[in-house]
Amino acid sequence: QLQLQESGPGLVKPSETLSLTCTVSGGSISSSSYYWGWIRQPPGKGLEWIGTIYPSGSTYYNPSLKTRVSMSVDTSKNQFSLRLNSVTAADTAFYYCAREGKGVFITYYYYYMDVWGKGTAVTVSS
Amino acid sequence: SSELTQDPAVSVALGQTARITCQGDSLRTYYASWYQQKPGQAPVIVIYAKNNRPSGIPDRFSGSSSGNTASLTITGAQAEDEADYFCHSADRSGNHRVFGGGTKLTVL
Repeated sequence: QLQLQESGPGLVKPSETLSLTCTVSGGSISSSSYYWGWIRQPPGKGLEWIGTIYPSGSTYYNPSLKTRVSMSVDTSKNQFSLRLNSVTAADTAFYYCAREGKGVFITYYYYYMDVWGKGTAVTVSS
Repeated sequence: SSELTQDPAVSVALGQTARITCQGDSLRTYYASWYQQKPGQAPVIVIYAKNNRPSGIPDRFSGSSSGNTASLTITGAQAEDEADYFCHSADRSGNHRVFGGGTKLTVL
């Protein structure tokens, strides 16, 4: 059974870089059938898509975060990572990694996130 | 527009039918997926590709789509269905994903 586990510092200082890793177990991150995403949730608020990385290394980021975010994949470790620089208190959130699938049905396309990590809390504070 | 709009709150009597909607221009091209999130837990997918339920999701959960609106229906709502529900799709380019603001479902 596929499992995802986030790891990284729980406390980051303002203006510094937030770095998180998602370790995938029970399956290969290199599968061409799936993508890998990061999502965050500020306390008491909704979900925000941060970005998605394809096994090929192609990345797509939330336009509102695009200038500060980068994602990478390490197939040798079955991990993918998130870096968010110049953080502020507004980046305080629960961060989740997830496996993302894509398909087409008749004339419609669809995306879905079917496996999620348990999430990790990140606080930005001095 | 890349936004998805949900009603902040919906309430339903125990055993009755709850309907949660999600509106957005991109839903004319992309089917929504739906996630249930209970306090302190990670989201769980309940519907994808219009009306497909992952293994383990009760059949009281169903999805539909018409025009720019996707709907999640819970037929015979149970106390354990009380949770936040989020819709999710892509923007028109297909390269960016987006979540709705979420709907808090209360089962009375």
